[in-house]
Amino acid sequence: EPEVTQTPSHQVTQMGQEVILRCVPISNHLYFYWYRQILGQKVEFLVSFYNNEISEKSEIFDDQFSVERPDGSNFTLKIRSTKLEDSAMYFCASSVTGWENEQFFGPGTRLTVL
Amino acid sequence: AQKITQTQPGMFVQEKEAVTLDCTYDTSDQSYGLFWYKQPSSGEMIFLIYQGSYDEQNATEGRYSLNFQKARKSANLVISASQLGDSAMYFCAMREYAGTASKLTFGTGTRLQVTL
Repeated sequence: EPEVTQTPSHQVTQMGQEVILRCVPISNHLYFYWYRQILGQKVEFLVSFYNNEISEKSEIFDDQFSVERPDGSNFTLKIRSTKLEDSAMYFCASSVTGWENEQFFGPGTRLTVL
Repeated sequence: AQKITQTQPGMFVQEKEAVTLDCTYDTSDQSYGLFWYKQPSSGEMIFLIYQGSYDEQNATEGRYSLNFQKARKSANLVISASQLGDSAMYFCAMREYAGTASKLTFGTGTRLQVTL
């Protein structure tokens, strides 16, 4: 069964460093998303992406964040200069359609900023 | 106002019993979808069930059913014949029609513990 994959599973970085979180969505999906979940809290939307551009972004997704689909398969989230409060689980998701169907989530990348 | 409200931070249920996890939502849109996801202790998000706002029948997927009461804006998840493996965090989420790539808005979750 096709699935969303994410690498790495766990990333530890120093405050101020850049990180790139990688995702491979399901191959026939056209809509891509990043969410984050701070430990013990609810899942929060960061950004959605369709047709090679951002569809929507949340207040969390400030200038330190960027997304890219560098080729036909990868979808990346870059945090330019990490802060302690960026420590969270980051989930990538993809869906076939823009709103009717479920979003399939990857296993997540746990980011720890020291 | 919260878009998705889950008022039960924790629930216990005995194995083989049924349990209902509550979810209420707030939207002024006519077109929306309601979803339930399961998050086990390993952390992944597993899709369980979906209900569209225009669906007249309650959604069912195996042991999961969604009790959709549109006038009350509630979308409760019913798990029948609970199993030990059902112990997890359960999130209700809503997707409002927003043109393209509509985001999911999640509730705060309910932690379900299934006991022997």
